[in-house]
Amino acid sequence: GENVEQHPSTLSVQEGDSAVIKCTYSDSASNYFPWYKQELGKRPQLIIDIRSNVGEKKDQRIAVTLNKTAKHFSLHITETQPEDSAVYFCAASSGGSNYKLTFGKGTLLTVNP
Amino acid sequence: DTGVSQNPRHKITKRGQNVTFRCDPISEHNRLYWYRQTLGQGPEFLTYFQNEAQLEKSRLLSDRFSAERPKGSFSTLEIQRTEQGDSAMYLCASSRGTKNIQYFGAGTRLSVL
Repeated sequence: GENVEQHPSTLSVQEGDSAVIKCTYSDSASNYFPWYKQELGKRPQLIIDIRSNVGEKKDQRIAVTLNKTAKHFSLHITETQPEDSAVYFCAASSGGSNYKLTFGKGTLLTVNP
Repeated sequence: DTGVSQNPRHKITKRGQNVTFRCDPISEHNRLYWYRQTLGQGPEFLTYFQNEAQLEKSRLLSDRFSAERPKGSFSTLEIQRTEQGDSAMYLCASSRGTKNIQYFGAGTRLSVL
């Protein structure tokens, strides 16, 4: 089955700096890669996703890149703000008749004012 | 609130007791998923329904676990003879169509004493 590795497990940055979180996946059939943000005690919330037919997607300060050949994808947050502090999870899904998401272990991002 | 709703939010039970959780998906979402999340980990897939049909179950789902979605709307997850290792956050998500964008509920936190 699919295996998703996520690094780093913790990341601390100064407000205004950029943050990058990287994930690798094992199943070459995976074609959908969402990123979720989870604040303490709250539900995971989708912040951005990418499908295997594109290499990059951007939404304001957040961008995701995908390298299908290397089977890795990354989340980039620019101009970080204290409210970006949370745990971020990457995930992968192979689609078809199998819609389950396989998640990474998460990255605790702390943005220091 | 038209998001995914889960009840109860918290459940404390004694080892050996049975517990049941409920998930109400977003209206018209035909797919419903159950995940389990332990501290410091990403959500792990348990099972998923398309309408009322349970299409996949994880090996994590022992025979003490059963899930139903009788009319293709809400779903229940029952754990029989609970064990301390069942203590976790149980998350429900729903989606529709082929895009597989999954929206999560706030979860039910189970503590087995």
